[in-house]
Amino acid sequence: SQQGEEDPQALSIQEGENATMNCSYKTSINNLQWYRQNSGRGLVHLILIRSNEREKHSGRLRVTLDTSKKSSSLLITASRAADTASYFCVGGGSNYKLTFGKGTLLTVNP
Amino acid sequence: ETGVTQTPRHLVMGMTNKKSLKCEQHLGHNAMYWYKQSAKKPLELMFVYNFKEQTENNSVPSRFSPECPNSSHLFLHLHTLQPEDSALYLCASSQVWGAEGYTFGSGTRLTVV
Repeated sequence: SQQGEEDPQALSIQEGENATMNCSYKTSINNLQWYRQNSGRGLVHLILIRSNEREKHSGRLRVTLDTSKKSSSLLITASRAADTASYFCVGGGSNYKLTFGKGTLLTVNP
Repeated sequence: ETGVTQTPRHLVMGMTNKKSLKCEQHLGHNAMYWYKQSAKKPLELMFVYNFKEQTENNSVPSRFSPECPNSSHLFLHLHTLQPEDSALYLCASSQVWGAEGYTFGSGTRLTVV
């Protein structure tokens, strides 16, 4: 797999604002996945975008993928306090192993 | 519940104890994984099982011993651990060649005293 590097490392916003997190990777991928981790819990798979897709939506989530720039972004619209968590991106490749980076810690203040 | 169940949720053990962590999934997945998450560090992939066969051991010390008796169950046997082994241990499962992502359990918070 391709470890993603998330940016920024930490993001603090007010409830109702949009949150944008970015991800970069270094080699070719088959898909790009985003996960969320609430403090002290397991990761939750949010969304997967395939390498031939440019944009994907799921509820309040919007993911973009630019394979020419080897980058992706995750937009959370109308954020809620419950969105407070760490967010990870990871590239899925020809094998099934996933290597995670340090993530972005999002804090949504009520 | 995600479909991947880990027990126990919390475990405190002494350095001379022997304990086991258990992971169970009934999602029909054929790959299972152990990850370690220490404070302020990225998740570390420890072991990978593919159709019950271990396919990866990322230089994990022998005091951690995995076992996969069938494609639904995964264990991590612990023996003579060190305080630095205290961490959140996460189990995950997936299809081997699928592209649907991993399903994680809620983890076991291990404290070695």
